[in-house]
Amino acid sequence: GAVVSQHPSRVICKSGTSVKIECRSLDFQATTMFWYRQFPKQSLMLMATSNEGSKATYEQGVEKDKFLINHASLTLSTLTVTSAHPEDSSFYICSARDQGGRTGELFFGEGSRLTVL
Amino acid sequence: GENVEQHPSTLSVQEGDSAVIKCTYSDSASNYFPWYKQELGKRPQLIIDIRSNVGEKKDQRIAVTLNKTAKHFSLHITETQPEDSAVYFCAAIQGGGGNKLTFGTGTQLKVEL
Repeated sequence: GAVVSQHPSRVICKSGTSVKIECRSLDFQATTMFWYRQFPKQSLMLMATSNEGSKATYEQGVEKDKFLINHASLTLSTLTVTSAHPEDSSFYICSARDQGGRTGELFFGEGSRLTVL
Repeated sequence: GENVEQHPSTLSVQEGDSAVIKCTYSDSASNYFPWYKQELGKRPQLIIDIRSNVGEKKDQRIAVTLNKTAKHFSLHITETQPEDSAVYFCAAIQGGGGNKLTFGTGTQLKVEL
């Protein structure tokens, strides 16, 4: 199946710094990618929909100025957590759908575990 | 928006028994219902899915049923094995919502020897 790669897998940063997470579709083009956040023992919560060449669409309650999303190409979306604080510590997962694939299945990146000290 | 509820939150079964996880959704326009298995610290893996034009789908030990009228769907795992132990999430795609996937709250399945 299609492959979505996410980097870094783990990151530890100091409070107040910014962290960038990359999501790449390796063998297909993705005009839309999705960013999820998952706290321990909880479900995946959609943060925003990343649209290639245009502004991201954020879910209610998600601060767009804190979670900057850029989708500059058909294979790359980035999520930047600005001025990170301990409460931002979480598992961030991106996903993308292979629109040209047979099933339209949604593929997930490996996830990025962010720890803010 | 779409709201997906999932039960139970935890499920413990003996090896070889069956496990059933149930979900309900709110948006009658939703038309695609995947199930994911997530092991600790890893990405969700699609294990089976069903579309709204089908009532049941089976893949070896895993089956999913869908009742559109009642807006609920269920995952059935037969002959459970220890490696089936994981967290399972149901999900639904909101029909008119730009293909946004809404997840259920998850079920921690433990298969005991």
